[in-house]
Amino acid sequence: EAQVTQNPRYLITVTGKKLTVTCSQNMNHEYMSWYRQDPGLGLRQIYYSMNVEVTDKGDVPEGYKVSRKEKRNFPLILESPSPNQTSLYFCASSSPSVKPYEQYFGPGTRLTVT
Amino acid sequence: GENVEQHPSTLSVQEGDSAVIKCTYSDSASNYFPWYKQELGKGPQLIIDIRSNVGEKKDQRIAVTLNKTAKHFSLHITETQPEDSAVYFCAASRWDSNYQLIWGAGTKLIIKP
Repeated sequence: EAQVTQNPRYLITVTGKKLTVTCSQNMNHEYMSWYRQDPGLGLRQIYYSMNVEVTDKGDVPEGYKVSRKEKRNFPLILESPSPNQTSLYFCASSSPSVKPYEQYFGPGTRLTVT
Repeated sequence: GENVEQHPSTLSVQEGDSAVIKCTYSDSASNYFPWYKQELGKGPQLIIDIRSNVGEKKDQRIAVTLNKTAKHFSLHITETQPEDSAVYFCAASRWDSNYQLIWGAGTKLIIKP
């Protein structure tokens, strides 16, 4: 089954404790992206990657890091989480060579930072 | 940069009635406008999209219209059913944006039985 998976689905952590949210897709998509979803603000892009070893900032990159060492994986790293990073996070992927703008989303990771 | 405004934030309609959600965009160079549906506990999923060279597109009970002059586009759902209850997002993109989508804030659609 074609899908984007994220782990963990739920995470409660404390301020300053480094964490990683994993994202993996099995569709051989070149493009991957991370979003955060907050009430009344819609989806805001954090980082995106056009292909392996190619990443770029989205609209709200502060406090986040990413890496793209393999085509299928695109982890999101919070080196020192703060309460304002409490949010619902989505990973998405797409294939610009096939259907550029159709993004496939993972199920989401709900993060709470206390 | 591009800004997308979406209205209303919440829409409640009787089952069987029609629902309309509207979005306006600011960048006249935007040329692609998708609509995504997000069901409870899931990620958004593309349901319909339209490009700037087309004024209207239909897919069964859903349709999207685009008015380039006024810079707004709308999602129309006819004969609404309980499974249409979800959050709907509009978005806009331009050809030279590395496939970046600028999203509206979302509309929670409630279908009343």
